[in-house]
Amino acid sequence: KNEVEQSPQNLTAQEGEFITINCSYSVGISALHWLQQHPGGGIVSLFMLSSGKKKHGRLIATINIQEKHSSLHITASHPRDSAVYICAVNLNVGSQGNLIFGKGTKLSVKP
Amino acid sequence: NAGVTQTPKFRILKIGQSMTLQCTQDMNHNYMYWYRQDPGMGLKLIYYSVGAGITDKGEVPNGYNVSRSTTEDFPLRLELAAPSQTSVYFCASRNGGGGPKDRYGYTFGSGTRLTVV
Repeated sequence: KNEVEQSPQNLTAQEGEFITINCSYSVGISALHWLQQHPGGGIVSLFMLSSGKKKHGRLIATINIQEKHSSLHITASHPRDSAVYICAVNLNVGSQGNLIFGKGTKLSVKP
Repeated sequence: NAGVTQTPKFRILKIGQSMTLQCTQDMNHNYMYWYRQDPGMGLKLIYYSVGAGITDKGEVPNGYNVSRSTTEDFPLRLELAAPSQTSVYFCASRNGGGGPKDRYGYTFGSGTRLTVV
């Protein structure tokens, strides 16, 4: 079983829809990260969370430490949001800051 | 600030050839990482460094080597390329001392797409 699981694997939405991507993890963590990767492109850090909720523009990230679960929400989705969204975690101890990655959620937003 | 710069962006190697993937950061970050990304898989850690002169193996180090002579540079060396090393390689950096109280984010390079034929 992977330590970081994302769902869904693939998601297709119409422009304007509210989107939720989920991430569950099975280990103790010090932080959780949401990353964005456009096709053929590099990886961009969106959020780093250790508790609660963060918002940046149309993106909202939440984390529930007790349930070992995080969600990434996109409000008023747009075709330019089409990308792979990756959840990654820092383990609590002994990891030297190394990230454990989920396999990603491929989002396609249709106009 | 350029952030994390990776070169080359694309490369085709023949089996048995060698090459170095370059990674440079201008943020004075202590920690640097090399990851590989294979289709349908999460990124896997190849090597990492916690500061100049210090490197350590990650999850998938076989067939690779690294050095960290300066804070800025963290090159990844492939000595005898094999088809299994066909992948997209990402370099990343961050500041911070690690551990439960470390709260710093990561900066990634734009990736190097390597094909070994």
